[in-house]
Amino acid sequence: DIQMTQSPSSLSASVGDRVTIACRASQTIDSYVNWYQQKPGKAPKLLIYATSTLQSGVPSRFSGSESGTEFTLTISSLQPEDCAIYYCQQSYSSPYTFGQGTKLEIK
Amino acid sequence: QVQLVESGGGVVQPGRSLRLSCAASGFTFSAYAMHWVRQAPGKGLEWVALTSDDGRLSNHLDSLQGRFTISRDNAKKTLFLQMNSLRAEDTAVYYCARDLATTGGFGELAFWGQGTLVAVSS
Repeated sequence: DIQMTQSPSSLSASVGDRVTIACRASQTIDSYVNWYQQKPGKAPKLLIYATSTLQSGVPSRFSGSESGTEFTLTISSLQPEDCAIYYCQQSYSSPYTFGQGTKLEIK
Repeated sequence: QVQLVESGGGVVQPGRSLRLSCAASGFTFSAYAMHWVRQAPGKGLEWVALTSDDGRLSNHLDSLQGRFTISRDNAKKTLFLQMNSLRAEDTAVYYCARDLATTGGFGELAFWGQGTLVAVSS
């Protein structure tokens, strides 16, 4: 199975900050990485698919990129409503594994 | 709009069975692959199973050791997860989810239900 390793596991940032979350795959997965946001008590929400394509309705402050087997989710200017847990996931092959999550808090 | 509504969760004793359902509406159910994803209390997301649009292809998490089976009824627009020989470690919220597109690969989970809680306890 492909392992997805996220970092950091948690972070705290201020409104307006630029925030970056990383995800490393255990093997080559082309660009088959997706990012989800989950707020407490809610289902996950797809933010970005295929590494860098923004899902419909997602604010443009969210973006995704890759460098080899390392993938990055960036929030360009953190907003209070971005407080959530973020997960990466590979859709290269079954089982479609998720990273362990990054808890983002607002200072 | 796309709606996915899970049902069938509850408290069940170890070793017993449970069948989850996911009723779909707002889209052409038979055109999309569907998935089950679970989340143990306070833990991360774990992909469980996939069924293709016509139900001919399915894939399950190996560690389930054949205890769970995904299926679908396209006429009734409903997805199922049959769970047998349940264990305490199967305790989780179970979500159904729809693929983003009708073509290409699987696994871009664009729409999710609200989840149904399965608690395995004696």
